[in-house]
Amino acid sequence: AQKVTQAQTEISVVEKEDVTLDCVYETRDTTYYLFWYKQPPSGELVFLIRRNSFDEQNEISGRYSWNFQKSTSSFNFTITASQVVDSAVYFCALSEAGGFGNEKLTFGTGTRLTIIP
Amino acid sequence: SQTIHQWPATLVQPVGSPLSLECTVEGTSNPNLYWYRQAAGRGLQLLFYSVGIGQISSEVPQNLSASRPQDRQFILSSKKLLLSDSGFYLCAWSPLPPGGALYEQYFGPGTRLTVT
Repeated sequence: AQKVTQAQTEISVVEKEDVTLDCVYETRDTTYYLFWYKQPPSGELVFLIRRNSFDEQNEISGRYSWNFQKSTSSFNFTITASQVVDSAVYFCALSEAGGFGNEKLTFGTGTRLTIIP
Repeated sequence: SQTIHQWPATLVQPVGSPLSLECTVEGTSNPNLYWYRQAAGRGLQLLFYSVGIGQISSEVPQNLSASRPQDRQFILSSKKLLLSDSGFYLCAWSPLPPGGALYEQYFGPGTRLTVT
């Protein structure tokens, strides 16, 4: 069975510091997808990124970057020069490319990130 | 573009009362639809998912049920609410691309339910 572990329950950093959120996953499949979501205080989950298991290239989007390493089964998320608006709960998720219509996302328990002004 | 709506946004219901939460998606056809619950300060628990009209899969046996009467409508119901049903209920949809691989899910604004 697939599993996602976000060992960091809560992180607090001072504004403008860099912060990395860890995500470790378990799966038996060779084809799978990894995701990050942001849940601001309003509650709605916002999709940030999808990565497939065949693409280990790191990705950068503005102040956000993602480091995918199959060797360690990790998909870490770094925010550079953090801002107060980055304060949220961040979820990592995994899906396996299974049969048509039976796929589900497995979410980690989330990391609550607080940026201190 | 696609949008997903949920209502009501907040709800306070007494124990033993019925429940009906509605979710609708616009701008797409034949989506996968999902209901999640998030207890206070906790992660997401998948309750139900549907791959088509009338097709519902339950992940957690409990006093909740789901129905999909139309392609883009997903309803979460209960005949008698329990205190433990309190939480934040999120509806989500995902596209069905060729090949069956699951793409990202897009979430609605959620319904905050308090059972008193």
